[in-house]
Amino acid sequence: GAGVSQSPSNKVTEKGKDVELRCDPISGHTALYWYRQRLGQGLEFLIYFQGNSAPDKSGLPSDRFSAERTGESVSTLTIQRTQQEDSAVYLCASSGLAGPHTGAAQYFGPGTRLTVL
Amino acid sequence: AQKVTQAQTEISVVEKEDVTLDCVYETRDTTYYLFWYKQPPSGELVFLIRRNSFDEQNEISGRYSWNFQKSTSSFNFTITASQVVDSAVYFCALTDNYGQNFVFGPGTRLSVLP
Repeated sequence: GAGVSQSPSNKVTEKGKDVELRCDPISGHTALYWYRQRLGQGLEFLIYFQGNSAPDKSGLPSDRFSAERTGESVSTLTIQRTQQEDSAVYLCASSGLAGPHTGAAQYFGPGTRLTVL
Repeated sequence: AQKVTQAQTEISVVEKEDVTLDCVYETRDTTYYLFWYKQPPSGELVFLIRRNSFDEQNEISGRYSWNFQKSTSSFNFTITASQVVDSAVYFCALTDNYGQNFVFGPGTRLSVLP
């Protein structure tokens, strides 16, 4: 597609339920990032994929959070046993260049607004 | 560890005024990249500029200009003759040579009043 897409755009769930958030990166982009943005706050890095491997999982806030990526395409962020503090906008970004000496810009999707009741 | 500081939490200006958004960064890398992103009320982040650490030339794009100074570890962003549509949260970001450690500043909320 022309840009990064994310689904669903909005998700309301009950505390304790599991949710899956999906990200479709720009075609051909090898790097994919997930961020969390709480209301009125900055971006909190969650995880980074290069291809389908995740060299940096340091940002995942707890073991309730996991993510996977199929090849160099779709990624899914799963939150198990959701808590109210998980309520935030979850943003996905992709970038087109891999490896050193790149520092490629990230292009962001519209985000998924998650509300945990 | 890498860090980005945007000391201005919120700025309000009147339309047509010039405004500068400050960004100060910390890194031990000799090669790194700096970015500015705009997040309008719609929520989607928009890429504005990328600058690598070897290029200290200032850049101008229309009403936007950027001043990169390695000596002070700053990458400031100026909007000339601001417009209401410039109202947004602006984020400065830093990444290492491999594009892995992407660190965003806390953002500056700019309100341009008519």
